[in-house]
Amino acid sequence: QSVLTQPPSASGTPGQRVTISCSGTSSNIGGNYAYWYQQLPGTAPKLLIYRNNQRPSGVPDRFSGSKSGTSASLAISGLRSEDEADYYCAAWDDSLNVLFGGGTKLTVL
Amino acid sequence: EVQLVESGGGLVQPGGSLKLSCAASGFTFSDSAMHWVRQASGKGLEWVGRIRSKGYNYATAYAASVKGRFTISRDDSKNTAYLQMNSLKTEDTAVYYCTGATVTTLPDYWGQGTLVTVSS
Repeated sequence: QSVLTQPPSASGTPGQRVTISCSGTSSNIGGNYAYWYQQLPGTAPKLLIYRNNQRPSGVPDRFSGSKSGTSASLAISGLRSEDEADYYCAAWDDSLNVLFGGGTKLTVL
Repeated sequence: EVQLVESGGGLVQPGGSLKLSCAASGFTFSDSAMHWVRQASGKGLEWVGRIRSKGYNYATAYAASVKGRFTISRDDSKNTAYLQMNSLKTEDTAVYYCTGATVTTLPDYWGQGTLVTVSS
């Protein structure tokens, strides 16, 4: 069981807005930045959000991140079929380990 | 274009050793921390460890599950990172990703992964 807790699944219809949560503690998300990764089927993960709410070049602004206290969230607006993927949150822990959430499988209905 | 290419994966018996390599290009390798992350089939991502740059004395850190068995190293002259895996267990079976932290402190670029299977 992961220290960072994510819902195992989420779903939405095209055009909808979907939010995925990531719950941690004061030792990880509470005191460090949150990151989000997208893993399309059969491919390597890709950085989606870094430092809580920053998007790397090339990531559409439909993807946004936020953090409040010991939780972080990823929001996807204008949902598209190509957004169907696994999404992982991540953060440093104060013990200098990197923690990943268990992952959320997003289904576009 | 950033590229990370892993090699060295394969089948190894429990208790055996394997060394993975990761050839990097397209970014300033010597200034970047390098992480290894693994993923068992059908499972989530698990951080294995990381090595920092020369400016941070090549400091390493490891997940508890591999500490004492795995060693991360790098050769900046070859733009290559390594993961030496000893005393392998069946639960180490996974796709191993080499990742670079070029802008942030967590991985921002990922290789395609190499499969390590530990089985008798």
